[in-house]
Amino acid sequence: ELKVEQNPLFLSMQEGKNYTIYCNYSTTSDRLYWYRQDPGKSLESLFVLLSNGAVKQEGRLMASLDTKARLSTLHITAAVHDLSATYFCAVDRGGSQGNLIFGKGTKLSVKP
Amino acid sequence: DADVTQTPRNRITKTGKRIMLECSQTKGHDRMYWYRQDPGLGLRLIYYSFDVKDINKGEISDGYSVSRQAQAKFSLSLESAIPNQTALYFCATSDPGQLNQPQHFGDGTRLSIL
Repeated sequence: ELKVEQNPLFLSMQEGKNYTIYCNYSTTSDRLYWYRQDPGKSLESLFVLLSNGAVKQEGRLMASLDTKARLSTLHITAAVHDLSATYFCAVDRGGSQGNLIFGKGTKLSVKP
Repeated sequence: DADVTQTPRNRITKTGKRIMLECSQTKGHDRMYWYRQDPGLGLRLIYYSFDVKDINKGEISDGYSVSRQAQAKFSLSLESAIPNQTALYFCATSDPGQLNQPQHFGDGTRLSIL
């Protein structure tokens, strides 16, 4: 059974600091997604990671994937208040099923 | 206009009532999904459909049913609602020919069952 674990689940950080959110998953998969959710809102896609060693960056966020370690990271550089949100990773079950297993989410709060 | 539209956006109802949540999309995607979100649990898959004639159960299908009326429409029904089905429900779509693209989510339906 595919399980996806994120940590930490809650993260309070100061503006200007760096931090990393981790996403571990239990079985082989070659597709991993990161989403952002603002309170009461829908999920917004941030990154799609398709292969081992994939690295993508958008602004202050950078995501990477290590399929051998079954680990993805979302690194935040010089955090700003606007990054406050809940971040989810989701792993594809594989076999082109398109079914995602989501982590429980990391609630990020960036304080001035 | 939103690509993935869910109606209603909010619904309060009583235990035992039949509820239907609707989802329509203009993205032309074949695949559609229903998820529920509970605080601290992330999103869990209820049902998914790869085309009009292909419907499959997800992780937590008990107490729910779905109907794929057309490529663009996918409805979720609660035949006899119970309080622990109170949650935020999301519909999503994806294109099987675009595996490098994410699933696209609607704005959600907040359902409260008293």
